[in-house]
Amino acid sequence: QKEVEQNSGPLSVPEGAIASLNCTYSDRGSQSFFWYRQYSGKSPELIMSIYSNGDKEDGRFTAQLNKASQYVSLLIRDSQPSDSATYLCAVHSGYALNFGKGTSLLVTP
Amino acid sequence: DGGITQSPKYLFRKEGQNVTLSCEQNLNHDAMYWYRQDPGQGLRLIYYSQIVNDFQKGDIAEGYSVSREKKESFPLTVTSAQKNPTAFYLCASSTWGGSTEAFFGQGTRLTVV
Repeated sequence: QKEVEQNSGPLSVPEGAIASLNCTYSDRGSQSFFWYRQYSGKSPELIMSIYSNGDKEDGRFTAQLNKASQYVSLLIRDSQPSDSATYLCAVHSGYALNFGKGTSLLVTP
Repeated sequence: DGGITQSPKYLFRKEGQNVTLSCEQNLNHDAMYWYRQDPGQGLRLIYYSQIVNDFQKGDIAEGYSVSREKKESFPLTVTSAQKNPTAFYLCASSTWGGSTEAFFGQGTRLTVV
């Protein structure tokens, strides 16, 4: 079974701080990694994709990938209350995305 | 606008009934997927399809069936054999090739009454 692990949280950060979300995966052959944001009662929305080791930045979001450690992270700078949601880590398993259970993020004003 | 449309948004099923969830996409994507999400859980793969007239079981296919007669459509039937069908069902699509993003429809919330 190919596993994707995330801390369930909730992770609470004050407005304006950096939120750091982490994910580990078991399939060493995985090549594609994604972060989705899911608001309560809504469907997941893709916010970042990363395929190579290192950092990828898009606005306030930075994805980090370390394939040797089988570790993916998402940093959210200048966190806003609107960032409060569940963040799902997804790893491509060869035929479909395999998801973690998600980390709940709460940004407090 | 391009996207993925799921219908209905809410669905109620009586015990012993089969119900079909609709998923249509106009993104010209080859691959389509069905996931199930339970409260506090991640997404679990039910079925996926890479091309028309071909589909494969995912991790939790028992009690479900699908068809892929058109590239744009991938309906999911929840049969009476599915013991605990109450969940949030999500349809997604992507290009096929392995390394591209999947995009989701708005989901169907199924409740057994």
